Amino acid sequence: AQSVTQLDSHVSVSEGTPVLLRCNYSSSYSPSLFWYVQHPNKGLQLLLKYTSAATLVKGINGFEAEFKKSETSFHLTKPSAHMSDAAEYFCVVSDQTGTASKLTFGTGTRLQVTL
Amino acid sequence: DVKVTQSSRYLVKRTGEKVFLECVQDMDHENMFWYRQDPGLGLRLIYFSYDVKMKEKGDIPEGYSVSREKKERFSLILESASTNQTSMYLCASSLFHLWGDSYEQYFGPGTRLTVT
Repeated sequence: AQSVTQLDSHVSVSEGTPVLLRCNYSSSYSPSLFWYVQHPNKGLQLLLKYTSAATLVKGINGFEAEFKKSETSFHLTKPSAHMSDAAEYFCVVSDQTGTASKLTFGTGTRLQVTL
Repeated sequence: DVKVTQSSRYLVKRTGEKVFLECVQDMDHENMFWYRQDPGLGLRLIYFSYDVKMKEKGDIPEGYSVSREKKERFSLILESASTNQTSMYLCASSLFHLWGDSYEQYFGPGTRLTVT
């Protein structure tokens, strides 16, 4: 069985300061891990994906995440927050068994960016 | 540009009604998924399909059924809507899974269903 824990339900940062959204996972297999973002009243958009290549993954809009197997973590970071980053972020682990990749979602972290 | 569309953004139905939510993708993806999203619970998988007429239960299939008669279209059916099915419903699609790889899913904008 696989699971994802997002350690913060809500994070608030000032514009121009770093962003850290924390995620721990549990998986019986070599996992694929994703971060998705959901802006208000919009569908989910893929930010970045880890699939056992480089452990530091770069995504869109300046975000990146580092896969740390020893810590079972996949934290999302960005050096400098922008107002447009305000959204809900989901950490996701993929089950690679079967015919369709089933995704298990975390409960989400709402990022607030203030002036 | 990839596209997943859902038939309605907002829907209000009465308890006991039969409800159809439609999803269409134009990417020729084999896999399609239905999720519901509730505050504090993230997304939970209801059903998925990996081929026409094929379906598998997800984590919360009770009270729902699905239909996939064409590759591009995946329908979610609430046989008799209840108030606890008030939620945001998201459809997604992805390429067919190959062992050792995991394709990202592309999501539609969602349908916010209210059952009164």
